[in-house]
Amino acid sequence: DQQVKQNSPSLSVQEGRISILNCDYTNSMFDYFLWYKKYPAEGPTFLISISSIKDKNEDGRFTVFLNKSAKHLSLHIVPSQPGDSAVYFCAAGDNFNKFYFGSGTKLNVKP
Amino acid sequence: DGGITQSPKYLFRKEGQNVTLSCEQNLNHDAMYWYRQDPGQGLRLIYYSQIVNDFQKGDIAEGYSVSREKKESFPLTVTSAQKNPTAFYLCASSTTTNTLGGNEQFFGPGTRLTVL
Repeated sequence: DQQVKQNSPSLSVQEGRISILNCDYTNSMFDYFLWYKKYPAEGPTFLISISSIKDKNEDGRFTVFLNKSAKHLSLHIVPSQPGDSAVYFCAAGDNFNKFYFGSGTKLNVKP
Repeated sequence: DGGITQSPKYLFRKEGQNVTLSCEQNLNHDAMYWYRQDPGQGLRLIYYSQIVNDFQKGDIAEGYSVSREKKESFPLTVTSAQKNPTAFYLCASSTTTNTLGGNEQFFGPGTRLTVL
C-alpha cells in the first residue's frame, strides 16, 4: 500500500505561470518531507524540504506547503521556466531515516 | 569533489546470472540506500544501511542482497532469484541526524540493468 501518493502523473504549464504539484501521504508519523527533480536516465536531485513543525518553506522560485491535518503537501514553482520540465517526486521520511517516494509528476513547461 | 558514483551505467545480464551493482560515496554519510525505479512508478526501497556492518530490508528486498563493509561502499547484488530484475537502480546516501532537516538524500546517476 503506497504511503505517499502523487495522483497527477503529468502537468502542463505555460512559461511564466505558476506550477502546482501535489502530494498526499497516509502515515502521520512522517516528520520530514522533500521534493526531488529528476531528468531521464539520471538520479533525482534534491530541490526543497520541509519539516513537520513548519507549514511553509521557500527557496527562490520554489515554495513547499505542508497541511498536516490533510496530510497533503504541495510544491509551487513561480514563475515556471522551460528548464523546470522534469519529473518531480515527493518523499516523506520517518525518524528511522527511511524515505517513501511518490510515483512522480511529469511537468512540462511550454515556452 | 564530493558525490556518489554508480557503475556501470548500463548492464546486461543473462537470465539466471547474479550481478553486482557498485555504489561509492565520498560524502562521509553514514546512511546508504538502494532503490529500484520501474517505468511510470516511483522509487521503491530495496535495502538501506544506517551504519557500517548493518543493513535492513526495504519494501522489495526479495531476490537482492547487500553488504556494508566500508562506510563509503554499499554494493547491491541482484540474484537469479529476483523474478523481474530489469529496472533502473538508484543508490543514495544521507546523514543520519534526527534533527529536523538536513538529512536529504543524495543520489547517484543510476544503473540501468537489462536481463536478456
